[in-house]
Amino acid sequence: NAGVTQTPKFQVLKTGQSMTLQCAQDMNHNSMYWYRQDPGMGLRLIYYSASEGTTDKGEVPNGYNVSRLNKREFSLRLESAAPSQTSVYFCASSPRTGPNQPQHFGDGTRLSIL
Amino acid sequence: DAKTTQPNSMESNEEEPVHLPCNHSTISGTDYIHWYRQLPSQGPEYVIHGLTSNVNNRMASLAIAEDRKSSTLILHRATLRDAAVYYCILKTGGGSGAGSYQLTFGKGTKLSVIP
Repeated sequence: NAGVTQTPKFQVLKTGQSMTLQCAQDMNHNSMYWYRQDPGMGLRLIYYSASEGTTDKGEVPNGYNVSRLNKREFSLRLESAAPSQTSVYFCASSPRTGPNQPQHFGDGTRLSIL
Repeated sequence: DAKTTQPNSMESNEEEPVHLPCNHSTISGTDYIHWYRQLPSQGPEYVIHGLTSNVNNRMASLAIAEDRKSSTLILHRATLRDAAVYYCILKTGGGSGAGSYQLTFGKGTKLSVIP
């Protein structure tokens, strides 16, 4: 019953450091997403991968890169962390893209940039 | 995606039914109505979705008005675990680019369940 698994759950970085957030799903879903959630802002889409081998920018992609490693895994990389990237990051997956496809979320990575 | 309007907060007694309303007067014919909830310190959780007909699943029921300008999420017996923020989201079938893939979460309705 794992669903979407995100690691790490918590992380503190210094400005300028880099790190990769990991996400894996075991539901054989084709599509995966990375969101960030900030107080009062709701969730905003950073990047998505409609299917294995493809990635596209979302609403707020600046400062991030992604890799769709295989069908199960979709990672998010911060090359040079900035305090503005302090947030809670959620990974999600869905069977396919489309308006009738539910998205299933992980429990998030809480990231603080000092 | 079209806009939705929900009450900021609602209260319910434990083991009683809860009706969470959502207005979406500008809904288009291809918009699906999705409901998600988010418990404290957890990721959003999919609850239910529908297009025109009422829908039932193990978690809840979704009642959609005949003109589709409003919908109601029904929790049949509220438990303490149902205390969460509930989001009503319209997902369009048209368009292209990131907007057609993103779920747009508004402020939602914070549901409190009283023991």
